[in-house]
Order: sequence, then C-alpha cells, then structure tokens
Amino acid sequence: AQSVTQPDARVTVSEGASLQLRCKYSYFGTPYLFWYVQYPRQGLQLLLKYYPGDPVVQGVNGFEAEFSKSNSSFHLRKASVHWSDWAVYFCAVSMGGFASALTFGSGTKVIPCLP
Amino acid sequence: ETAVFQTPNYHVTQVGNEVSFNCKQTLGHDTMYWYKQDSKKLLKIMFSYNNKQLIVNETVPRRFSPQSSDKAHLNLRIKSVEPEDSAVYLCASSQGLGGRYAEQFFGPGTRLTVL
Repeated sequence: AQSVTQPDARVTVSEGASLQLRCKYSYFGTPYLFWYVQYPRQGLQLLLKYYPGDPVVQGVNGFEAEFSKSNSSFHLRKASVHWSDWAVYFCAVSMGGFASALTFGSGTKVIPCLP
Repeated sequence: ETAVFQTPNYHVTQVGNEVSFNCKQTLGHDTMYWYKQDSKKLLKIMFSYNNKQLIVNETVPRRFSPQSSDKAHLNLRIKSVEPEDSAVYLCASSQGLGGRYAEQFFGPGTRLTVL
C-alpha cells in the first residue's frame, strides 16, 4: 500500500531564511507527487506537482521540489521565506490507474522563528 | 479563484441529528471526492465519484453516504452524527482518474462540530 511520511510536524524558520520540508513516499509503481499548502480555515491549494520527467519541478511563489527515486523522496524547498508562507504543508501521492484518491502525509506546520 | 464550492462553512449540531453538506465544482471535472480532516490535520479519503459511480469507498461508518445528482455535484449526508464526526470535511475534484489526471482542486471545507 502506498504511504507518505513527513517526518517533521513543525519547522521553525525566520523570514528571509531558506526552507526545506521533507517528504518520503512508499509506492510500488510510478508515483505522481504533489505538495499542497493549507492556510488557517481554508482548503488546500496546490503548490506544485511531479509527473514522471524532470526531477526538479517549479511551483508557485518560489517553491520548488526535487524528486529522488533512489531516496523515495520529494522534498520541498524555498530560498527565502516570506511571512505569507506560515501555513501547513502537505505532501501527497496518487495511486495510478483506476483509483485516484490522494494519500496525504501528516503535514508540516511552518511557524516563524521570532527574535 | 474558487472553483469548488462548499456549503455550509460551519455547522453545529447535536448527537443523533442528520446533516447534509453540499459540494459543487465548475471545472468540468469528471471525478469528485470527500476527505475528512481531523483535529490533528490528518486527511483521509472517504469517497470518490467518477461519472456518478462510486469508485473508492474507504471503510467509513454506514451513517455516511455520498449523494450525486450529476458530475458537478457531490453531497455528503451523515445520519445520526456521533461526537467523533467532528472534523473538517473537504470536497475536491479532478479531471479524471489517477496519474496525470490526479491533480485535485479543493473547496474551503465544512467544519462540523457535534455537541
């Protein structure tokens, strides 16, 4: 069965600093991978998606992610965090073929590191 | 720009009552979904519908039932709600089934509180 692991429940980062959110997947087949962001009291918004091809994918608002088959990972990165990035981030994998529901990781909350 | 609409935004009810949530998508997609997000932000698929046919039905309690009049609408009914049903219910849609059609668009959610 497929699964997604986000090992960090919370990540603290200062505005302007770089950000990396980790995602490991387990899937027997060709994965289609997604990163979503959820702001308080809102639904999920797509940041970026990986379809088999170039391992580095660009998303909205300066986010990018890199797919690694050897590490079964799909980590999300941003070079410089903005205050509007404080939110919960979800990594997800799609079953291929007939069934298409997403399997989500448990989410990583990005919170500000206050001086 | 919202393309998946959910009503109501919030609903408070008592144990044993029946509730119904509505979802409509204007994207022309063929597949719709209901997810449950619990208090720890964990997301679990409940149902998915493709061309009005139920194609994924996780082991949710029988008191939950999806209802669809056409491919643009997927409602969720809960007969006799229980306290553990308190959660955010997220509706989503995708162009099709799996793979490249797996990208899902989410509504803002309906927050249910059962007293």
